[in-house]
Amino acid sequence: DVKVTQSSRYLVKRTGEKVFLECVQDMDHENMFWYRQDPGLGLRLIYFSYDVKMKEKGDIPEGYSVSREKKERFSLILESASTNQTSMYLCASSPGSLNTEAFFGQGTRLTVV
Amino acid sequence: GENVEQHPSTLSVQEGDSAVIKCTYSDSASNYFPWYKQELGKRPQLIIDIRSNVGEKKDQRIAVTLNKTAKHFSLHITETQPEDSAVYFCAASIADKLIFGTGTRLQVFP
Repeated sequence: DVKVTQSSRYLVKRTGEKVFLECVQDMDHENMFWYRQDPGLGLRLIYFSYDVKMKEKGDIPEGYSVSREKKERFSLILESASTNQTSMYLCASSPGSLNTEAFFGQGTRLTVV
Repeated sequence: GENVEQHPSTLSVQEGDSAVIKCTYSDSASNYFPWYKQELGKRPQLIIDIRSNVGEKKDQRIAVTLNKTAKHFSLHITETQPEDSAVYFCAASIADKLIFGTGTRLQVFP
């Protein structure tokens, strides 16, 4: 059973803080993704990674960066948190072969005050 | 870039009725179309998917149809039950990148 685990379920941070959201998967998946979920806007892709040390920008990368030093771990970094980054963040992973199911983590609800 | 539009944003049906959710995509190179269900407070989970070489796929009460020419795909739920109440997301994949629609909140009333 695939498990994608996000380090925190809820986070409250102050404006200007550097924030790290961690995601770990245990199925040796090649692909990992970070999405942001907001009401009425669905799931928007922030960054994704096809391999270790590799990253690609998604649709809304501004204000975010990522790190993938190990295959199982994909970190999302908010360099200087702002109130408009208050949201639900979802990590996902999928195998390297094309057209396969993505498995999601439980989500991290981040509030920036 | 890739864009996926999803309609309606909310859908209310009586138990036993059918529900249909429609999506359109912009990139003709998309070749994989999954549907995810997200129950309140839970993570999205795959319920059905279809690949571009197939026009229709069915799994019990759930079916998905794909019209590649029109770049449309739809989710059909028959004999709806209260436990079908959730938010449903369509997605289109290009080169392993999944782009999601904005979601449909389905409410099934007993």
